[in-house]
Amino acid sequence: GEDVEQSLFLSVREGDSSVINCTYTDSSSTYLYWYKQEPGAGLQLLTYIFSNMDMKQDQRLTVLLNKKDKHLSLRIADTQTGDSAIYFCAEAHTGKLIFGQGTTLQVKP
Amino acid sequence: NAGVTQTPKFRVLKTGQSMTLLCAQDMNHEYMYWYRQDPGMGLRLIHYSVGEGTTAKGEVPDGYNVSRLKKQNFLLGLESAAPSQTSVYFCASSYAREGEAFFGQGTRLTVV
Repeated sequence: GEDVEQSLFLSVREGDSSVINCTYTDSSSTYLYWYKQEPGAGLQLLTYIFSNMDMKQDQRLTVLLNKKDKHLSLRIADTQTGDSAIYFCAEAHTGKLIFGQGTTLQVKP
Repeated sequence: NAGVTQTPKFRVLKTGQSMTLLCAQDMNHEYMYWYRQDPGMGLRLIHYSVGEGTTAKGEVPDGYNVSRLKKQNFLLGLESAAPSQTSVYFCASSYAREGEAFFGQGTRLTVV
């Protein structure tokens, strides 16, 4: 079956890099996603990566994919207080989007 | 362009009451989803639809029913609400099986 796991909490200082990790079980997933949820709002897509890629960079965001270990990470460079939110990784599996538990990122000034 | 709209935004129900949550999207998306979000458990898929007239069970379908009579609408029904159904419910839609999902703002439901 499909399962996506994340740690629940990460605290960093403003200006540091944040690394949020995720593991998944379905090796047939074609796309893996990172979504961001701000307080009181729905989720918004941050970035995604194709399963045939190892890395994707988008401004301050870097996504790393290790298919062998089924491990996905999101690195946020120069983390700002506005990056405080819950971050979800997700995999697409046979028409379903399966999400992890979400990692709450706390950015201290 | 409204995107995905959920109605209502808040609701308090008594145990045993019924209600329907409405999700409407104006992006002509084929795929629609209902999730519930609980602290520490992330988003869990309740039901989903891959096109008008189709529905399928997700991870936690018990106690819920859905219908997709029109492509733009996906309804989530609770026939006899229970306190365990207290949660925040999110609807999402997607243009393709593995495409970006667009989310509504959520419905906060409390069952007392």
